[in-house]
Amino acid sequence: EPEVTQTPSHQVTQMGQEVILRCVPISNHLYFYWYRQILGQKVEFLVSFYNNEISEKSEIFDDQFSVERPDGSNFTLKIRSTKLEDSAMYFCASSTRVMSTDTQYFGPGTRLTVL
Amino acid sequence: DAKTTQPNSMESNEEEPVHLPCNHSTISGTDYIHWYRQLPSQGPEYVIHGLTSNVNNRMASLAIAEDRKSSTLILHRATLRDAAVYYCILRDADSGGSNYKLTFGKGTLLTVNP
Repeated sequence: EPEVTQTPSHQVTQMGQEVILRCVPISNHLYFYWYRQILGQKVEFLVSFYNNEISEKSEIFDDQFSVERPDGSNFTLKIRSTKLEDSAMYFCASSTRVMSTDTQYFGPGTRLTVL
Repeated sequence: DAKTTQPNSMESNEEEPVHLPCNHSTISGTDYIHWYRQLPSQGPEYVIHGLTSNVNNRMASLAIAEDRKSSTLILHRATLRDAAVYYCILRDADSGGSNYKLTFGKGTLLTVNP
C-alpha cells in the first residue's frame, strides 16, 4: 500500500540553526500538509500546499517557516532559525483532493529536537 | 469549526467490542464526521467517516445518532494493536477553500488490556 515517508526520523539541531524536514507524499496525491505535535499536546495544522502554492496556513506558520516542492516527489518544510519551542514531532500528510470526504494520509513523523 | 467532545480515556479488554463516543451538539447539516487514530509514536491514521447513515469498513463501524448530535466509533473486537488515541473530527462540506486542514482535539486514549 502506498505510504507517505519522512526523513530524517529524528533531527537534533542547535537553536538558531536552519533545518529542512523532508517528505515524499503518495505519488498521485495533489494536496500536501504539514502538522506538528509538541510532546503531550494536540496535533496542530501548520500549512497546506497545492499547485505550488500555499493554500492555507495557521498562525504558527510565521516567516520562519517555508514549504517547497522542489521536484515531482519531495515536499519540504524549512525552519530558518530554530527556537527551543520548535521542538516537536512534525507530520507530513497528503491527499488526492480537498473535500470534506477526503482522507489525509500521514507520514510517520520527524522528531525535531532544538537544543 | 463545530466542536467535538470526547472522553479523555477509555479502557477495554482484548477481543471485546469497544464503543468510543463523541458529542457534537453544534454540528451543522453539512458537517461530515471523521475519525482518525494515532498509534503510539506514529502519525494519525484515518479510520472512518460518515454524514448521516451508519458506516462500516474493515477497521470499524460508525454509528451516527438520528439528530447527528453524537456518534460512536465501534471496534468490534479490540486487539492490542488498537491501543491509540482516537480523534473525532468534523469537516464542513460547505466551507469552500478553508476545508484543507484537520482540526484535532485531545481525543480519547484507548487502553486495551490483554
